[in-house]
Amino acid sequence: GNSVTQMEGPVTLSEEAFLTINCTYTATGYPSLFWYVQYPGEGLQLLLKATKADDKGSNKGFEATYRKETTSFHLEKGSVQVSDSAVYFCALSDTNAGKSTFGDGTTLTVKP
Amino acid sequence: DTAVSQTPKYLVTQMGNDKSIKCEQNLGHDTMYWYKQDSKKFLKIMFSYNNKELIINETVPNRFSPKSPDKAHLNLHINSLELGDSAVYFCASSPRGGPTEAFFGQGTRLTVV
Repeated sequence: GNSVTQMEGPVTLSEEAFLTINCTYTATGYPSLFWYVQYPGEGLQLLLKATKADDKGSNKGFEATYRKETTSFHLEKGSVQVSDSAVYFCALSDTNAGKSTFGDGTTLTVKP
Repeated sequence: DTAVSQTPKYLVTQMGNDKSIKCEQNLGHDTMYWYKQDSKKFLKIMFSYNNKELIINETVPNRFSPKSPDKAHLNLHINSLELGDSAVYFCASSPRGGPTEAFFGQGTRLTVV
């Protein structure tokens, strides 16, 4: 079956630091890959996505590249802000599964 | 114009009670889900419905019963609530067919005392 493994948290960074949250996946089909963000007290919302190998998803300064050879989809941001403090979920979705498979989430705290 | 809305947002109840959480989506999606998020933020799928038909039921106690009166609504009824049911429950929806993102509601924080 499908699975997603993401870097354990929590992660604490100072403002303007570089962020990487690692994500690797296992899938039997040809999945699309996603990063979701959950701000405190809210539901998950899509941050970015990539639908095929070598695609790069980007949004709000965050980027992730679909690497089929390493089955990875690492999230990066060059300079984090306090407002980026949230829980980040890596996920995949494929037609056969009929559902999304989520990683365990990584809590990011950015300090001023 | 909330895309996926669920009510109530907070629910505090005693052990043994029966409660329901309602969910509605106005996106025209065919597929709806219920997820449970525990205190460590782990997200676990409970049920998935496609056009009112149950397609996924993941090892959930039969005290939990989803009901989909139409494809825009998916309600969750919980009987004989237990302390361990305390969590945040999220409703979500996605378009039918193909690998797509899910759209989430704001969550219902259930506390069983």
